[in-house]
Amino acid sequence: EDQVTQSPEALRLQEGESSSLNCSYTVSGLRGLFWYRQDPGKGPEFLFTLYSAGEEKEKERLKATLTKKESFLHITAPKPEDSATYLCAVHYGGSQGNLIFGKGTKLSVKP
Amino acid sequence: DAGITQSPRYKITETGRQVTLMCHQTWSHSYMFWYRQDLGHGLRLIYYSAAADITDKGEVPDGYVVSRSKTENFPLTLESATRSQTSVYFCASSEPTTSVRYNEQFFGPGTRLTVL
Repeated sequence: EDQVTQSPEALRLQEGESSSLNCSYTVSGLRGLFWYRQDPGKGPEFLFTLYSAGEEKEKERLKATLTKKESFLHITAPKPEDSATYLCAVHYGGSQGNLIFGKGTKLSVKP
Repeated sequence: DAGITQSPRYKITETGRQVTLMCHQTWSHSYMFWYRQDLGHGLRLIYYSAAADITDKGEVPDGYVVSRSKTENFPLTLESATRSQTSVYFCASSEPTTSVRYNEQFFGPGTRLTVL
């Protein structure tokens, strides 16, 4: 069964305490892995797209990496404004409808 | 401003009533999508559209109807609302893709629907 699993479900960090979020997937024919940030009451905001194992993307304190089975979102020296739910989504197969979202990791960064 | 908008932002209705949620995008993206987001399930695809007059089912299409007469609009209709359709609904759009690399989707602000 095609699946996307994010861990941990929730993560509490102190400001400046670096950590990583995980997204593992079991699909055939990866067409793209996407990271989104979602703030309460808002729509998901696009962060990164990764297509191939070994690929990396960076934006400010965030860095996304991809292997054949999982992706990591590394957060370096987080700030309270990084608090949000981070969603991973995997597009696979030959149809635009083949998109699975993980349930997300809720990140809280305390000052 | 360019982007993707949804209306209404909040809606309360009763079981059995018909409800239409609107989605409008100004990017001229070919693809548009409707999702619902529920606690414990994450985002699930309801319907999507590759172009005007081309629509296809997603993971959870039962009880919903879509149409796309213009590229920029993609309304979602609940023909006879049920309590199980209480959810937050998101519309999204994306550029056309290659066959091996799909593009990211851009989401609207969402509509919170409550069915009593």
